[in-house]
Amino acid sequence: DTEVTQTPKHLVMGMTNKKSLKCEQHMGHRAMYWYKQKAKKPPELMFVYSYEKLSINESVPSRFSPECPNSSLLNLHLHALQPEDSALYLCASSQGPGQSLYGYTFGSGTRLTVV
Amino acid sequence: QKEVEQNSGPLSVPEGAIASLNCTYSDRGSQSFFWYRQYSGKSPELIMFIYSNGDKEDGRFTAQLNKASQYVSLLIRDSQPSDSATYLCAVNLLSGGYNKLIFGAGTRLAVHP
Repeated sequence: DTEVTQTPKHLVMGMTNKKSLKCEQHMGHRAMYWYKQKAKKPPELMFVYSYEKLSINESVPSRFSPECPNSSLLNLHLHALQPEDSALYLCASSQGPGQSLYGYTFGSGTRLTVV
Repeated sequence: QKEVEQNSGPLSVPEGAIASLNCTYSDRGSQSFFWYRQYSGKSPELIMFIYSNGDKEDGRFTAQLNKASQYVSLLIRDSQPSDSATYLCAVNLLSGGYNKLIFGAGTRLAVHP
């Protein structure tokens, strides 16, 4: 299995809703990542998990709350989002937290719209 | 100075030509470099990685790395309309003892028949 699976593929939520994005990989990778990508912009790193521990938080607002229940799963909990948070949310994984010689494998993303 | 810089394009080339995409980076400690292709509405797809100075070829793609000049490039030979996409240069940066992959703004390539 060489895939990163993200669910749901599309999500529309109101500003008062609470929702979660899910990401799963079965490649034995020990580092997992959340990126946010706005239209016509590059992916921007949000969080890095290494061996199930949060190692990098790129000053992301607290309305985004990551969670890594085990080495295969990564969640992103969303609460009280703003319309400007609408974007493509990408999950990725890599073999480990060191200099990745083989890059990151990305999931297909969740297209989030906040109304 | 941005950590990873690319010309946003669009770069327009005729079918069958060579497309040349360029990228510069700021951190001399970076060791690994990647080219991702992203079609509109899709997620990035890794097409090449390189970590030694010189050229690395894979089919129609050649990645070139010059660490002294902090420069990475991607050549696409015999360009096809299906190559039309945004090409993202990505660089591993060290931050607080951890590595993270940082992307350039991307170059939009258009291959016309």
